[in-house]
Amino acid sequence: RKEVEQDPGPFNVPEGATVAFNCTYSNSASQSFFWYRQDCRKEPKLLMSVYSSGNEDGRFTAQLNRASQYISLLIRDSKLSDSATYLCVVNIEGTYKYIFGTGTRLKVLA
Amino acid sequence: DGGITQSPKYLFRKEGQNVTLSCEQNLNHDAMYWYRQDPGQGLRLIYYSQIVNDFQKGDIAEGYSVSREKKESFPLTVTSAQKNPTAFYLCASSISTGLRNSPLHFGNGTRLTVT
Repeated sequence: RKEVEQDPGPFNVPEGATVAFNCTYSNSASQSFFWYRQDCRKEPKLLMSVYSSGNEDGRFTAQLNRASQYISLLIRDSKLSDSATYLCVVNIEGTYKYIFGTGTRLKVLA
Repeated sequence: DGGITQSPKYLFRKEGQNVTLSCEQNLNHDAMYWYRQDPGQGLRLIYYSQIVNDFQKGDIAEGYSVSREKKESFPLTVTSAQKNPTAFYLCASSISTGLRNSPLHFGNGTRLTVT
């Protein structure tokens, strides 16, 4: 079983739709959680950190469920520019170790 | 603006040649990392450094070497011993290792092709 798992997609959604991605992790020592966005052939860019109480940044909402060991990302009112691959990243407590999911590909259609 | 600069963006080499990828940061971060990305796979850690003059092997260090003589710089050498060097190489930094909610910041990557 992979340490961090994501549905690879693609998720094809119309503009304006709401879409949600989940990411599961297996290491209970996981401490910090992040969502990154990666455009084709570019570097990952930090979208948001994920806090225990959940957090929101504009159209994006991230949630953490420690009991079930998953994090989620909700995108409301999807824009064409949201088309990208979304990477789930987990940092193991007190270490250098960041574990990456393989990403979920989103295509927002006009 | 603070950030991480990788150069060159594209690099082409013949098999059997060593090649060095540059990574410079002006974020004043202590920790720096090298990752490799292949299609359909998550990023894999090659080497990391927590402080100047110290570095540690990651999960796939064979065929690679690094140095950390300055806080700002963490070059990666891909040697001829690396069996499958063609990949997208990403340098990253963080404030420190082990800090809660300390994200990675990435450079724009170097795409290496070895023929």
